[in-house]
Amino acid sequence: QVQLVESGGGLVKPGGSLRLSCAASGFTFSDYYMSWIRQAPGKGPEYVSHITSSSSYTDYADFVKGRFTISRDNAKNSLYLQMNSLTAEDTAVYYCAKLDGAGPPEYWGQGTLVTVSS
Amino acid sequence: QSALTQPASVSGSPGQSITISCTGTSDDIGHYNYVSWYQKYPGKAPKLMISDVSNRPSGVSYRFSGSKSGNTASLTISGLQAEDEADYYCSSYSVNSPVVFGGGTRVTVL
Repeated sequence: QVQLVESGGGLVKPGGSLRLSCAASGFTFSDYYMSWIRQAPGKGPEYVSHITSSSSYTDYADFVKGRFTISRDNAKNSLYLQMNSLTAEDTAVYYCAKLDGAGPPEYWGQGTLVTVSS
Repeated sequence: QSALTQPASVSGSPGQSITISCTGTSDDIGHYNYVSWYQKYPGKAPKLMISDVSNRPSGVSYRFSGSKSGNTASLTISGLQAEDEADYYCSSYSVNSPVVFGGGTRVTVL
């Protein structure tokens, strides 16, 4: 069955950086678009970024453009999110998601918590 | 403020039917037939319950159904059971973003 396991979250100071990872299994990772979605405490989920199966195209929400970078390693069945210049507004649970084609998330991981605080 | 508007909570007794609404605009729900619904238990990964407005993925109970009218989508849970108590989120394609979400609805089984 599809499994997505995120890691790399934690407590970071404003202006700091974190790199999130997502280990995928149970499907042919290299065939699917992947995405990062986040959910701040008490709020609904929010699209962050997605990447095509071959990494030929990436997209970002306006609020992370220039700060976050999505990438993948198909040989390692892994998805990544490099997050720089973090602010308190980036505090959220970050989910890795397998997309249904180029569409909405089909499977989600359990998430990793990122807390930005001094 | 989420892009799609859902009621904060909906409740019902076991065996009853409940409906959760998800209101968007002509840029998202009204524009595309790509509404999805997710069920989420605390500390667990969200689970896809409905895709493409009314398509039920394999393994999802027939008690869950989806529909859409204009800019509003709906999720109906019939024959409500204790295990249905969870948070539910809607999502849609949007002209402004690959996907937008609702703020979530807490379903309580009385």
